[in-house]
Amino acid sequence: GAVVSQHPSRVICKSGTSVKIECRSLDFQATTMFWYRQFPKQSLMLMATSNEGSKATYEQGVEKDKFLINHASLTLSTLTVTSAHPEDSSFYICSASAGRRYGYTFGSGTRLTVV
Amino acid sequence: QKEVEQNSGPLSVPEGAIASLNCTYSDRGSQSFFWYRQYSGKSPELIMFIYSNGDKEDGRFTAQLNKASQYVSLLIRDSQPSDSATYLCAVLDSNYQLIWGAGTKLIIKP
Repeated sequence: GAVVSQHPSRVICKSGTSVKIECRSLDFQATTMFWYRQFPKQSLMLMATSNEGSKATYEQGVEKDKFLINHASLTLSTLTVTSAHPEDSSFYICSASAGRRYGYTFGSGTRLTVV
Repeated sequence: QKEVEQNSGPLSVPEGAIASLNCTYSDRGSQSFFWYRQYSGKSPELIMFIYSNGDKEDGRFTAQLNKASQYVSLLIRDSQPSDSATYLCAVLDSNYQLIWGAGTKLIIKP
């Protein structure tokens, strides 16, 4: 089945630093990747949609200069949280799709804690 | 505003019984429908997806889709304590956007 690998699984960083999260599709080519954020006991919130080779589409209220998304290949997308602050602490999850009629596969998530 | 509605629960079901989870959606042109299970602190994992009216069975799980009434349900037979989780419904709408429900918390009591 489709496997999506996400790293790191946990990261603690100091306020003001940047953190990069990687999302890889291991056995399929992901034309589209999605980045979500989930706060405790809340549902998934879509942050942005990235298509290979083009700029990401950000949801309303998500700062594109703060959350940099790069989708340079069909198997790799990265999310960089720049100048992180404690309020950015959350569970970040990527998801990849191999096409419209297939299920969306999630990475294992990254627990970001900004201190 | 396209919506996917789920009862937040918690839904409490005795072990061995059938758990029934429901989801309604507003976009009549929606294409595909997904059920995910999410354990606390973990990423969602796909249980099943369905895109045709009727029932789709996979082991103890059955997804039911009724496009006329705009609802999709998930039945879990022979519920087990390990089924306790939050179940998320997701709908691929007519613009091929994935819309998420807020999830239903299911508790299976031994």
